[in-house]
Amino acid sequence: GQQVMQIPQYQHVQEGEDFTTYCNSSTTLSNIQWYKQRPGGHPVFLIQLVKSGEVKKQKRLTFQFGEAKKNSSLHITATQTTDVGTYFCAGFSGAGSYQLTFGKGTKLSVIP
Amino acid sequence: DTEVTQTPKHLVMGMTNKKSLKCEQHMGHRAMYWYKQKAKKPPELMFVYSYEKLSINESVPSRFSPECPNSSLLNLHLHALQPEDSALYLCASSQEGRGVYGYTFGSGTRLTVV
Repeated sequence: GQQVMQIPQYQHVQEGEDFTTYCNSSTTLSNIQWYKQRPGGHPVFLIQLVKSGEVKKQKRLTFQFGEAKKNSSLHITATQTTDVGTYFCAGFSGAGSYQLTFGKGTKLSVIP
Repeated sequence: DTEVTQTPKHLVMGMTNKKSLKCEQHMGHRAMYWYKQKAKKPPELMFVYSYEKLSINESVPSRFSPECPNSSLLNLHLHALQPEDSALYLCASSQEGRGVYGYTFGSGTRLTVV
């Protein structure tokens, strides 16, 4: 079955430093979604990428989808304490698939 | 209304109890989902309802029984659970299934089986 791998598992950064998490799939993805889960909270949808090579920005967050649609990344510029949480990528393996498979997530800690 | 509401927020139940988790959304979403999340793990898909019909059952034990009474409501009936079933149960919805739209998650029910 489809596997979505995500690295690193944990990342500790000083406030103001940049942060990147990477997601790789064993199969070609029809699209990929990113979610953020704060400690004690629930996943919150951030963005969806659909096109090969797509890049989207949300303020300090930059999302990329690989040319082969097998990998993706999330980059945060100048982290803030409000960025703390676990970031999950999640992919659909094929058009018409109902199954959203989550990566294991990257837990971000920001040291003030 | 842009929320998915789950009740109860916390539940402690014995292994012989029967309980139900409830989920409600009024965004007009036609796909609804149950996920299970253990501590420090990603959400795992349990069930998918699309247009009120069960589309996916991810080999979930029969002690979990989903129900979709209408397009706004989703229930998860629990019976004879085991301690290892203790987890955060998340309900989610999307405009439609098939990976076209992002999911809106509820805040979850934190279940403890004793």
